[in-house]
Amino acid sequence: NAGVTQTPKFQVLKTGQSMTLQCAQDMNHEYMSWYRQDPGMGLRLIHYSVGAGITDQGEVPNGYNVSRSTTEDFPLRLLSAAPSQTSVYFCASSYGVAEPQHFGDGTRLSIL
Amino acid sequence: SQQGEEDPQALSIQEGENATMNCSYKTSINNLQWYRQNSGRGLVHLILIRSNEREKHSGRLRVTLDTSKKSSSLLITASRAADTASYFCATDARSNYQLIWGAGTKLIIKP
Repeated sequence: NAGVTQTPKFQVLKTGQSMTLQCAQDMNHEYMSWYRQDPGMGLRLIHYSVGAGITDQGEVPNGYNVSRSTTEDFPLRLLSAAPSQTSVYFCASSYGVAEPQHFGDGTRLSIL
Repeated sequence: SQQGEEDPQALSIQEGENATMNCSYKTSINNLQWYRQNSGRGLVHLILIRSNEREKHSGRLRVTLDTSKKSSSLLITASRAADTASYFCATDARSNYQLIWGAGTKLIIKP
C-alpha cells in the first residue's frame, strides 16, 4: 500500500498563477481533507470530503477549490495564487473524521 | 479558531526523562487524538482516546482525558532521541465533520 500520495513535493509559483495539488489514497477511505500548516502553527482545515461527490468548506477555504469525483482522489486547486498562500499543504484520509488520519508527506508551496 | 491548545509550546529534556504535554479544548468531543510530526514530514497518528475513556496506554505513551476540565495529557516515558518532534492534539466537535488542531508542543530530547 502506498498510503496517501501527494504531488508535487515542492512548487514555486508566481502571483496570479493557478495550479492543482494532487492527493491520492489507496485505502478506500471515505473521509479526505486538506490542511495548510504555517510556521509554528498547527493545521488549519481548508476543505474536506465525506465521500465521492461530497465536499465542504473548512476554516480557511477562500482562494481554494476542491472536487471529489472518485473515492481515491481529492485534488486541491489554487485559483489565483497569492503570497499569503505560501505554506505547507497536507492531505489526509481516514474512515471518518473521528478515526485516525493518514497524512501525506506534504507539498511545500512558495508564491512569489 | 483553534479548539485545541497545547502547553508547553516547547519542552527540552534529557534522554531517559519523562515528557508530559497538555492539551485543552473548548467544546464537547467524540474523541481526542495525538499525533507526532518529525521535522519536514507529515503527521503520524499516535493514540486515540474516546470521550468515555479516562486513560489509555500504547507502549511508552500514556494519554489521559478529563472531559470535566476539557483537557488531555500525553506522557512519554523513558524518552529517546528519536522522540524529538512536534506533538499535536486534535479534537472532533460533535456538531460537525471537522478536526480542530492545536498549535503543538515542540519536544527536544538532549543526548
